[in-house]
Amino acid sequence: AQSVTQLGSHVSVSEGALVLLRCNYSSSVPPYLFWYVQYPNQGLQLLLKYTSAATLVKGINGFEAEFKKSETSFHLTKPSAHMSDAAEYFCAVSVLTGTASKLTFGTGTRLQVTL
Amino acid sequence: DTEVTQTPKHLVMGMTNKKSLKCEQHMGHRAMYWYKQKAKKPPELMFVYSYEKLSINESVPSRFSPECPNSSLLNLHLHALQPEDSALYLCASSQDLMGARQPQHFGDGTRLSIL
Repeated sequence: AQSVTQLGSHVSVSEGALVLLRCNYSSSVPPYLFWYVQYPNQGLQLLLKYTSAATLVKGINGFEAEFKKSETSFHLTKPSAHMSDAAEYFCAVSVLTGTASKLTFGTGTRLQVTL
Repeated sequence: DTEVTQTPKHLVMGMTNKKSLKCEQHMGHRAMYWYKQKAKKPPELMFVYSYEKLSINESVPSRFSPECPNSSLLNLHLHALQPEDSALYLCASSQDLMGARQPQHFGDGTRLSIL
C-alpha cells in the first residue's frame, strides 16, 4: 500500500530562515505526490505536485519540493519564511483504486514562524 | 477565492435533526469527494463520486447519506448524528478519476457541531 510519513508534527522557524518540511513516501509504483497547505478555518490549498515530469517542482508562494527516489523523499522547502507561511502542511500520495483515485495524507506538520 | 463552494460554513444541530451540506463546483470536474477532518488531524475520505455515480464509500455510517444530483453539485445528508461526528467536512473535486496525477481542489469546509 502507498503511504506518506511526515517527520515532525511541529516545526518552528524565524522569519527569513529556511523552511524545511519533511515527507517520505512508500510506494511500489512511481508515486504521484502532493503538498497541501491549510490555513486556520480554511480548506486545503494545493502548493505543488509531482507527477514524474521533473524531479524539482516549483509551487506557489515560493515553495518548492524535490523528488528523490533514492531517498524516497519529497521534502518541501522555502528559502525565506514569512509570517504568512504559518499554517498546517500536508503531504499526500495519490493512489488509483479501481475506478477512483484516492489521496492518502500524512499526519501534517504545523509550521510556526517567529519574529 | 476557492473554486469549490461549500454551504453552510457553520452548522449546529441536535442529534435528532436532519440537515444537508452542499458543495458546488463549476470547473467541469467529474470526480467529487467528501472528507471529514477532526482537529489537528488530516482529512479522512468518506465518499467518492465519479460521473455522478458513487464510486467509493469508506464504510461510513448510514447516518451520512451522499447525493450527487448533477456533475456540479454534491450533497451530504445528515440524520441522527452523534457528538463524535462534530468536525470540519470538506468537499473536493478533480478533473477525472482515471488520472491519479490529477490534483484535488478543496472547498473551505462546513464546520459541524452536534449538540
